[in-house]
Amino acid sequence: SQQGEEDPQALSIQEGENATMNCSYKTSINNLQWYRQNSGRGLVHLILIRSNEREKHSGRLRVTLDTSKKSSSLLITASRAADTASYFCATIESGGSNYKLTFGKGTLLTVNP
Amino acid sequence: GAGVSQSPSNKVTEKGKDVELRCDPISGHTALYWYRQSLGQGLEFLIYFQGNSAPDKSGLPSDRFSAERTGGSVSTLTIQRTQQEDSAVYLCASSLAEDYGYTFGSGTRLTVV
Repeated sequence: SQQGEEDPQALSIQEGENATMNCSYKTSINNLQWYRQNSGRGLVHLILIRSNEREKHSGRLRVTLDTSKKSSSLLITASRAADTASYFCATIESGGSNYKLTFGKGTLLTVNP
Repeated sequence: GAGVSQSPSNKVTEKGKDVELRCDPISGHTALYWYRQSLGQGLEFLIYFQGNSAPDKSGLPSDRFSAERTGGSVSTLTIQRTQQEDSAVYLCASSLAEDYGYTFGSGTRLTVV
């Protein structure tokens, strides 16, 4: 079953603009992670935010987490054509299997040069 | 190794044949995961290994699917009597421990004809 639901399903922007993707989930979590996937193959881990954290930065990436709303957002600033990919949020639930990542269906980001 | 290695990259097989997919995780990563991704979909959890044991096989779709891990390292996912609905990209990931980010391999694209 899908835990995370990304929004929007697809996003098209111009190079240099910021891209914001949102993720909602259903259960209590230990942490939430964002991954990028190019060309339908291996995923690359971008950032992990724990349930007691509210915001995290990594380079041009900014992730927020609102556990009261069960939602997260990923902001990519000053986007580049190379950022074109699918982005997935994934969660590790608390109180149960604390190892299994459950993925959403992803947001397809297209950055036009 | 430097990353998670999966082989083969692509596999085309006839319906009814058995296939074996191999995953070589990062050295020292005790946790290993298999996921499946159908076209345009999110990732579907199949099985989790901690060392050589599989505490969670709940995601295996049927008894045609099995997996093993030896020496706390290489894992093999076997699909017997393949069906067309088995066509997907099979992704392997490893992590240093539970509750850490995953490192994914590039996947095996399985096509059953």
